[in-house]
Amino acid sequence: QSALTQPPSASGSPGQSVTISCTGTSSDVGGYNYVSWYQQHPGKAPKLMIYGVSKRPSGVPDRFSGSKSGNAAFLTVSGLQAEDEADYYCSSYAGGNNWVFGGGTQLTVL
Amino acid sequence: EVQLVQSGAEVKKPGESLKISCKGSGYSFTSYWIGWVRQMPGKGLEWMGIIYPGDSDTKHSPSFQGQVTISADKSISTAYLQWSSLKASDTAMYYCARCHRGKESFEIWGQGTMVTVSS
Repeated sequence: QSALTQPPSASGSPGQSVTISCTGTSSDVGGYNYVSWYQQHPGKAPKLMIYGVSKRPSGVPDRFSGSKSGNAAFLTVSGLQAEDEADYYCSSYAGGNNWVFGGGTQLTVL
Repeated sequence: EVQLVQSGAEVKKPGESLKISCKGSGYSFTSYWIGWVRQMPGKGLEWMGIIYPGDSDTKHSPSFQGQVTISADKSISTAYLQWSSLKASDTAMYYCARCHRGKESFEIWGQGTMVTVSS
């Protein structure tokens, strides 16, 4: 299976909102409501931020939200803060015990 | 505390074999799938495969099938990723992560194991 498509970079000023897209196919993003988003700071392990398209694990600020439309999923970060600067990866279940990740988006807080 | 602790960094030569580990604690190890993820230097995450330690049911990504072997020893709550003949292109950080089935997301991650393959 091919990697999901994400823009390589995104940016916003503190307090603003930014949305990152993640495009797949009907075999992954479009076929299942199992899109997850992960945040990764330099030198650190990834951290789950969103699962099931739009659900937040305990402890993740509600500034992070997720949505999906057709074969595309979206992560929105509202009220940008300096600590949100990181790489973000989407992932989707693709059936048959297979998963696929996106190429990652580097979020810069200006 | 639920955690996954991975084995330490490795430096190997091309052609050598290697087995890295991921030990779970703080939860029932046999009740959750464990996935493996590769991150090459400066690159993104790649899903390699997954194993259910309860019965060792395993699925390798087509991209990694035949290149690595995923296994687990439930008696010591440890999952493994192994290579029989390393290549320079295997140089990467490798993460294990606990998968919550039903949510199909990787909710707990190990700290990563850096594997360097160089002559």
